[in-house]
Amino acid sequence: EAQVTQNPRYLITVTGKKLTVTCSQNMNHEYMSWYRQDPGLGLRQIYYSMNVEVTDKGDVPEGYKVSRKEKRNFPLILESPSPNQTSLYFCASKGLSTQGQRGIYEQYFGPGTRLTVT
Amino acid sequence: AQKVTQAQTEISVVEKEDVTLDCVYETRDTTYYLFWYKQPPSGELVFLIRRNSFDEQNEISGRYSWNFQKSTSSFNFTITASQVVDSAVYFCALSGSGAGSYQLTFGKGTKLSVIP
Repeated sequence: EAQVTQNPRYLITVTGKKLTVTCSQNMNHEYMSWYRQDPGLGLRQIYYSMNVEVTDKGDVPEGYKVSRKEKRNFPLILESPSPNQTSLYFCASKGLSTQGQRGIYEQYFGPGTRLTVT
Repeated sequence: AQKVTQAQTEISVVEKEDVTLDCVYETRDTTYYLFWYKQPPSGELVFLIRRNSFDEQNEISGRYSWNFQKSTSSFNFTITASQVVDSAVYFCALSGSGAGSYQLTFGKGTKLSVIP
């Protein structure tokens, strides 16, 4: 089954304690990205990666790092989390549709990671 | 720059009523894609529809229908005979073409509450 997985799904941590949220996709997609969702703000892109070792900033990259050493994995790293990073995080990957629609790119979202920083 | 506006922050309807969620977008791309996602209380994002800028035909899927009008840059979503299970936050989103296709720009969402 084509899917994007994220771990952990829920995390409560304290200010300054480094954490990593993992993201993995099994569709051999080149493009992956991270979004955060905050009440009243919708989803905003944090970072994206167009391929292995190619990453770039999205709209709200401050306080985050990413790496793309393998095609399937795109971890989100918070070196020193702060309370304003309390949010719902979504990983996504994008690639050609697997449903017979030629030339159509589909975006697949992970189930989300709810992070609370106290 | 791309922008998606969902002017309705929250809507409440009584079950079986019809409801329309508005979405207005801005883009300079001539080719672009519009999306609707549903986010139920459980939190996951559920893909509902994708429409490309060259296809202005309205689409109907069961109780859901979408009205795409390039002239007004709108992509509205109507739920007919709403049900309690429709209660969710609905997001409209936009992506461009080429390099712009790599980012989805989301609206802020409309929270729909269907009251039994």
